[in-house]
Amino acid sequence: DAKTTQPNSMESNEEEPVHLPCNHSTISGTDYIHWYRQLPSQGPEYVIHGLTSNVNNRMASLAIAEDRKSSTLILHRATLRDAAVYYCILDNYGQNFVFGPGTRLSVLP
Amino acid sequence: EAQVTQNPRYLITVTGKKLTVTCSQNMNHEYMSWYRQDPGLGLRQIYYSMNVEVTDKGDVPEGYKVSRKEKRNFPLILESPSPNQTSLYFCASSLPSGSYNEQFFGPGTRLTVL
Repeated sequence: DAKTTQPNSMESNEEEPVHLPCNHSTISGTDYIHWYRQLPSQGPEYVIHGLTSNVNNRMASLAIAEDRKSSTLILHRATLRDAAVYYCILDNYGQNFVFGPGTRLSVLP
Repeated sequence: EAQVTQNPRYLITVTGKKLTVTCSQNMNHEYMSWYRQDPGLGLRQIYYSMNVEVTDKGDVPEGYKVSRKEKRNFPLILESPSPNQTSLYFCASSLPSGSYNEQFFGPGTRLTVL
C-alpha cells in the first residue's frame, strides 16, 4: 500500500499562511492525493484533492511536486477554526482509503 | 440537508452481545465505507461498498460484518463484540468513484465494549 508521512504537529499564527507537507515516495501513477481534516469531536471533512497539477479551492491550495513524491497543503490565512488534524491520503478508486496519524495544526491567536 | 447519519451516537455494551450501528445517507451516493478511529492510529477502513450488494474488506475487517441491501443504508454489525472493538466509528459516503469525489463523513459513534 502506498503510504504517506507527515509531521506530527505544526504551529501557526493566526492570519498567516500555513504550509503542511506530505511525503509519498511510493505513489503510483493512478493514485490521487487527498487532504482531509478533522476538527475536534467531529468526523473528517474533505479539503482538497489532486492528481498532477496544482489545485485551488475556497478552502486551500494543493501544490504537487513534479515527481509527485511529495505535496503541500497551503492554507493562505490560518484562522482559529483551522486548528485540526490534517490527513494526507493516497487513494486509488476508493479501495484502500488509508488515514495515517496526520498533522495536528495549532493556530495561535 | 445533505448528510450522513449514524445511530446510536454513543453505546456501551458487554462482550458478546450482538449490536448494529446504522448508517444512512440522503445524497444518493453509491460508495459507502466504515472506519474506526483509535488514539495514535488514525482512521482505519473496516469495510466499504461500491454499490448495492457489493461490499469489500478494508484494512481491519475482522470481527465486523456489513450489508448493503439499499443504496442509502450501510449498517455495521458486530456479531460478538469484544473489548478491543471499543473505538470511535465513522461512516462515510461519496459518489461512484472514491478517488474523484469527496467523502462525506457522519458524526461518529463512540462504542465501549465492557
